[in-house]
Amino acid sequence: NAGVMQNPRHLVRRRGQEARLRCSPMKGHSHVYWYRQLPEEGLKFMVYLQKENIIDESGMPKERFSAEFPKEGPSILRIQQVVRGDSAAYFCASSPMKGSSGANVLTFGAGSRLTVL
Amino acid sequence: DAKTTQPPSMDCAEGRAANLPCNHSTISGNEYVYWYRQIHSQGPQYIIHGLKNNETNEMASLIITEDRKSSTLILPHATLRDTAVYYCIVREDFGNEKLTFGTGTRLTIIP
Repeated sequence: NAGVMQNPRHLVRRRGQEARLRCSPMKGHSHVYWYRQLPEEGLKFMVYLQKENIIDESGMPKERFSAEFPKEGPSILRIQQVVRGDSAAYFCASSPMKGSSGANVLTFGAGSRLTVL
Repeated sequence: DAKTTQPPSMDCAEGRAANLPCNHSTISGNEYVYWYRQIHSQGPQYIIHGLKNNETNEMASLIITEDRKSSTLILPHATLRDTAVYYCIVREDFGNEKLTFGTGTRLTIIP
C-alpha cells in the first residue's frame, strides 16, 4: 500500500528555468493538497485540487505558479521562471472523498526539495 | 488568524510521558482537533484526531477538555525518535478542507 509519492525528491534549477513537481496520491484518494515550506519556516498551504478541478488556490502566488490534477496521472505543481526565493520543500498530501463518518485525514508525501541557483 | 496556541518548545526525558498542550478556545462545534508532527523536515505525519471524546491509538492519546477549549497530546513513553515539531490543528468538518499549520511545539527528547 504505497503512500503519497512525490518526485523528484530533489530538484536543482537555475534562475529562469521551469520546475515541475509531481505527486501521486494514495490509492483511492481523489483529493490533493500542495504545501510549501521555506527554510526554517512553517508549512504554508498553496492549493487544493480534486480530479480536473481546482477547489481552493488561496495560497498560490499570483504569478508563475500553477497546479493541475488531470483525470489520469499525477498532480503537477509547475513553477515557471524560478527565482532563488522559490527554493523550498514542497509537500503534497492526499485524502479520500469525505465520507459520512466525519473527520478526514490528510496523508503527506516525503516532499520535493527545490534548490534554485 | 491563529486558531490554536501551543508552547514553542518543550523538553522531555527519554522513557517518560510527553504531554503537549494546545489551547483552542474559539473552537466551534463541528471542528475536529488534529495532531501532526514533522520530524526534521520530513513530510508531516498524522498522529491522532478527536472531536469530543478522548482518543487513543498506537502512537498517542488525545485528551480533550469537556468544554473543548483545550487538549493535550500524550506520548506515553517518549523515545529519541519522537523529537519533532508537533502541530495541533482545528479543522471544520464540512468536506475535504485543508489543514492550516501554525508554528507548533518543538519537542526535544533528552537521553
